[in-house]
Amino acid sequence: GQNIDQPTEMTATEGAIVQINCTYQTSGFNGLFWYQQHAGEAPTFLSYNVLDGLEEKGRFSSFLSRSKGYSYLLLKELQMKDSASYLCAVRRGSTLGRLYFGRGTQLTVWP
Amino acid sequence: DVKVTQSSRYLVKRTGEKVFLECVQDMDHENMFWYRQDPGLGLRLIYFSYDVKMKEKGDIPEGYSVSREKKERFSLILESASTNQTSMYLCASTPPQGAQETQYFGPGTRLLVL
Repeated sequence: GQNIDQPTEMTATEGAIVQINCTYQTSGFNGLFWYQQHAGEAPTFLSYNVLDGLEEKGRFSSFLSRSKGYSYLLLKELQMKDSASYLCAVRRGSTLGRLYFGRGTQLTVWP
Repeated sequence: DVKVTQSSRYLVKRTGEKVFLECVQDMDHENMFWYRQDPGLGLRLIYFSYDVKMKEKGDIPEGYSVSREKKERFSLILESASTNQTSMYLCASTPPQGAQETQYFGPGTRLLVL
């Protein structure tokens, strides 16, 4: 399998900024995805990076460094509804769209 | 909008029963996937399929089989359900590997095996 590591849990307060890190080791890297999953629901797509740098999408941004095998998801102006699990997933070029998932980071946002 | 549906949201079965979980997608996607998700273990791939009648084992295929007779439908079969197969099962689909094509997930089936 692929080594994809992310913290198990994080907490933050409303209005704050939080950064969720993800490190990976893989061959044939072909993209990194972030998903959000609320309790009891299916994962939903947040962001995609394949080149180095920052991708910004509203309150959420995702960064990738391929040479370091490192990505982060940055959430700004946190809201209570951002409490969820955040999944990092890596795609390899040879595997027909298959994604390799980390175990997820459970984020709790406090008022 | 891509839609992936699963036949049941909740299912209770007894040990030894044969269980069928159905997944249907309406976007003509070639690739379909079955995962199970357990606390602390994340999403683990059971099987995937990249075309009709084609299947590939994922990381944890033991105790499962799959069927893909039509492009839009991918079935997961538990030949003889066991209590350690109690889990959340998620189906996903994706088109052929385009630049930004993500996987689209169904709502999940929470299976309890007694």
